[in-house]
Amino acid sequence: QITLKESGPTLVKPTQTLTLTCTFSGFSLSTNEMGVGWIRQPPGKALEWLALIYWNDDKHYTPSLKSRLTITKDTSKNQVVLSLTNMDPVDTATYYCAHLQLRGAFDYWGQGTLVTVSS
Amino acid sequence: QSVLTQPPSASGTPGQRVTLSCSGSSSNIGSNTVNWFQQLPGTAPKLLIYSNNQRPSGVPDRFSGSKSGTSASLAISGLQSEDEADYYCAVWDDSLNGWVFGGGTKLTVL
Repeated sequence: QITLKESGPTLVKPTQTLTLTCTFSGFSLSTNEMGVGWIRQPPGKALEWLALIYWNDDKHYTPSLKSRLTITKDTSKNQVVLSLTNMDPVDTATYYCAHLQLRGAFDYWGQGTLVTVSS
Repeated sequence: QSVLTQPPSASGTPGQRVTLSCSGSSSNIGSNTVNWFQQLPGTAPKLLIYSNNQRPSGVPDRFSGSKSGTSASLAISGLQSEDEADYYCAVWDDSLNGWVFGGGTKLTVL
């Protein structure tokens, strides 16, 4: 059974760096074709894909935020970490992590964590 | 503005069949398979359809997906009140080298 859970601050100040951790179970990021992605959703708005990392450390970022995003994995801890620099109020959103396999779909999602950007 | 275009709203009555659309381009829907997600109020998205028309285990066969050219559709037959939710399409975009989501369709069951 695959489960994922996001953790991190619920409130960050403008210009700060957001660091979120996705802790998962039921699969390993050392297994071929496994991947974890991050998706966010501003209140009342649509889903937006942010970043993705695969078992082989291949990484992908959404072009509009690429300069601000970093995704890393810690296979031994079953964790994936997302960093987003220079936070702005428009970055206020629920951030989700999700499992996928190469050429697959985001089939298992975490419950999400709401991050508010405010001074 | 989303790369994938979905109508913002749709509605139907119980028992009816409704179809939700998702329009893209040659670099996304035209080249890759489409996934659909259902998001009930206050919950995380749930995978509803993958690879254009495949249902994960546990998804009722009332839900079906199809793709033609650069557009995709999600059909819901025998509409039920619990189907009231937001529905999103998603696909890999070869030009952007990343995933793109549609703007979502809010389905209301009248």
